[in-house]
Amino acid sequence: DQQVKQNSPSLSVQEGRISILNCDYTNSMFDYFLWYKKYPAEGPTFLISISSIKDKNEDGRFTVFLNKSAKHLSLHIVPSQPGDSAVYFCAASAQRYGGSQGNLIFGKGTKLSVKP
Amino acid sequence: GAVVSQHPSWVICKSGTSVKIECRSLDFQATTMFWYRQFPKQSLMLMATSNEGSKATYEQGVEKDKFLINHASLTLSTLTVTSAHPEDSSFYICSARERTAYSNQPQHFGDGTRLSIL
Repeated sequence: DQQVKQNSPSLSVQEGRISILNCDYTNSMFDYFLWYKKYPAEGPTFLISISSIKDKNEDGRFTVFLNKSAKHLSLHIVPSQPGDSAVYFCAASAQRYGGSQGNLIFGKGTKLSVKP
Repeated sequence: GAVVSQHPSWVICKSGTSVKIECRSLDFQATTMFWYRQFPKQSLMLMATSNEGSKATYEQGVEKDKFLINHASLTLSTLTVTSAHPEDSSFYICSARERTAYSNQPQHFGDGTRLSIL
């Protein structure tokens, strides 16, 4: 049973427009959410995170929104650039519970292509 | 900051060989390191959690005698795939979480090791 779901395997966006990547989760104990970006043959790079006490976190072109009631989070990239083309993974953990529950659970990723 | 180095990046070896993969946190101390495995077009699957100075905690279905983990210092964890077989061929990635007073800390990943067993 997948606890973190990224239902769109791919997304194509024009340069300069907004990219919106979505993620849904099922475990209500999750309290920390992260987005990672991954290029082929490289490890994931941490992008941005959000704690469950917030509903928005912004860092430059990247904004993460959290809707706890819907168990949904999204990553907005604006404006999108060709260099943003990569696979984006959503991850979640239940940090306040510690132990193995603090481990990251990853979605399957969404491949973003930003076209010039 | 927060750089994790993983070595080697690619290994090709014969069936029956044991392969050691190193994961180092270069500019921070990590009491906890994680080992993941990724199959093509799948998400990262956690194999085990490595805590400095203690035994690793393995996820269900991961053979601890097959995948030996050692976390000898605050900056180094190793994964040894013992007597590797073709089905062990995969992309292995480590990550490390910085030791701080804050509870919410991201994991920082190495670049992964592509293991191919012939």
